[in-house]
Amino acid sequence: GEDVEQSLFLSVREGDSSVINCTYTDSSSTYLYWYKQEPGAGLQLLTYIFSNMDMKQDQRLTVLLNKKDKHLSLRIADTQTGDSAIYFCAESPLDGSGNTGKLIFGQGTTLQVKP
Amino acid sequence: ETGVTQSPTHLIKTRGQQVTLRCSSQSGHNTVSWYQQALGQGPQFIFQYYREEENGRGNFPPRFSGLQFPNYSSELNVNALELDDSALYLCASSLGGGAETQYFGPGTRLLVL
Repeated sequence: GEDVEQSLFLSVREGDSSVINCTYTDSSSTYLYWYKQEPGAGLQLLTYIFSNMDMKQDQRLTVLLNKKDKHLSLRIADTQTGDSAIYFCAESPLDGSGNTGKLIFGQGTTLQVKP
Repeated sequence: ETGVTQSPTHLIKTRGQQVTLRCSSQSGHNTVSWYQQALGQGPQFIFQYYREEENGRGNFPPRFSGLQFPNYSSELNVNALELDDSALYLCASSLGGGAETQYFGPGTRLLVL
């Protein structure tokens, strides 16, 4: 089946690290994504990781992938008030003839950063 | 900015009406995907168009239909609107069919009364 789950809410203090977790079900997914959505806006691609990687770092962002447990995490170092938003993880499952083109999203984690 | 534009930004319709939403893809991209995002939920895949052909469809009824034009812009049409169709409609463009990295537009917020 296709299902992506995330915790709904995370609150941190400015300057702390934030860790947002996600579990997915489809082991065929070739890429896993993190998107950010600010109020009233579309989705901004933050980063992605290829399924044969364990870790990817991009400035303040670190993505960890545990394929065995189908667990994905996003760590934001030195979290700022501007990081307050909803964060979505997404998988891209394959069908029998190759990629379907669809992304399966979690419900989103609201990150609140307190000054 | 992703270079993906959508129009209109907001729309109010009544139940039973029809609506057309538009999306212009990022320069150089030939694929457009459409998603529906209900309030408080993650986006749900509606369908994808690659080189003017439908290239995958989610669990949406046939009254949701689409088109892609030779310039790779796209339309989403919804007939016989229902109250539950109220949502943010997002389009995403990418290069190549399949699950190439998708870049999202700002969305069209549809309210059905």
